[in-house]
Amino acid sequence: AQKVTQAQTEISVVEKEDVTLDCVYETRDTTYYLFWYKQPPSGELVFLIRRNSFDEQNEISGRYSWNFQKSTSSFNFTITASQVVDSAVYFCALTRGGGFKTIFGAGTRLFVKA
Amino acid sequence: DADVTQTPRNRITKTGKRIMLECSQTKGHDRMYWYRQDPGLGLRLIYYSFDVKDINKGEISDGYSVSRQAQAKFSLSLESAIPNQTALYFCATSERTGLYGYTFGSGTRLTVV
Repeated sequence: AQKVTQAQTEISVVEKEDVTLDCVYETRDTTYYLFWYKQPPSGELVFLIRRNSFDEQNEISGRYSWNFQKSTSSFNFTITASQVVDSAVYFCALTRGGGFKTIFGAGTRLFVKA
Repeated sequence: DADVTQTPRNRITKTGKRIMLECSQTKGHDRMYWYRQDPGLGLRLIYYSFDVKDINKGEISDGYSVSRQAQAKFSLSLESAIPNQTALYFCATSERTGLYGYTFGSGTRLTVV
């Protein structure tokens, strides 16, 4: 069975702090895909990143970076120098290799205070 | 216009009423999905459709039905709404493999009183 765990329900930081959102997944598949989505207060869900199980390279996009470690089944998301606009709910998700369907974690609500 | 459009954006309905949530997309994607979001539970899959003739139940399909009227349209119905169906509902689409992430609609906030 597949499972995605985001153990942090809520995180509160002060602007300019770095923050890491944890994501741990379970799957028996050797081929799978991991995603992060952002849900700002306006409610829409925005795709941030996709990573396949064969690519463990970390990725950086501006202030965002992602650390994928198969050894610990984790796909963590770090925001450097957080800003108020980063306040949102962030979801980690997992899709099996056949693209059958996507399982979402419960989400982590991030508050960034000015 | 948004790539994935959901209507209505907000709806309050009474217990026992039938309600339909509509979704249309201009992405040209084959796959469409309905998810439900509840606080602390993330998004849970209600139904999904890989093409017009292929509709499948997700993990929480009881009390819901769907119709894929065309490649671009996928509607969700609550035949007899109940209060615990109060939630935020999202429609999503993906390309054929489903491996490049979803495009979501803006969501429908449904309240059943």
